[in-house]
Amino acid sequence: EAGVAQSPRYKIIEKRQSVAFWCNPISGHATLYWYQQILGQGPKLLIQFQNNGVVDDSQLPKDRFSAERLKGVDSTLKIQPAKLEDSAVYLCASRQPPGQGKDNEQFFGPGTRLTVL
Amino acid sequence: AQSVAQPEDQVNVAEGNPLTVKCTYSVSGNPYLFWYVQYPNRGLQFLLKYITGDNLVKGSYGFEAEFNKSQTSFHLKKPSALVSDSALYFCAVRDSGNTPLVFGKGTRLSVIA
Repeated sequence: EAGVAQSPRYKIIEKRQSVAFWCNPISGHATLYWYQQILGQGPKLLIQFQNNGVVDDSQLPKDRFSAERLKGVDSTLKIQPAKLEDSAVYLCASRQPPGQGKDNEQFFGPGTRLTVL
Repeated sequence: AQSVAQPEDQVNVAEGNPLTVKCTYSVSGNPYLFWYVQYPNRGLQFLLKYITGDNLVKGSYGFEAEFNKSQTSFHLKKPSALVSDSALYFCAVRDSGNTPLVFGKGTRLSVIA
């Protein structure tokens, strides 16, 4: 079974530039999450999708961050414009629909490490 | 709101000795508890979970964790540590609904040969 795919793995940009991250979840996983992990901290949820709908985006800085999952499969997370404090690893995770095997587990991708200079 | 506390930033243990990484949680309702491990430049890997049933759960790589409801704890344990266990460990919790995981800040485990 293929895992959660993310690209790029690394990105370096200057402040005020824009950047986009891509995530392809495990096939059949209806729920998709984007987390931000700042160095020395645990992952913090940015946004949760159920199919192509947003379930929770309460911690997403909407003035600069946006995310979409138009066809209910892969997703993109965008930052525009980036700030120094956005330097972090951005993790994508997915989860099966309830009642299907390991529906309590979130499976994580390798992450995208963003450095804002 | 859910929360997780990992009181130790760093745990050092000699190879072959038992290890414990501590975690306490707060959640409304029944907790779903998880441990993940993160190696350098890699994503989070699932170790084990407690949903219901036996308070002692066994997971990958010889790890186990004990759910203690009265102490609201879910400490990670291993009887004999390996140098290859050195990594960053995260405890996470969510409630029984379709809610995302809330993570602790992580504990860095260092196993010394």
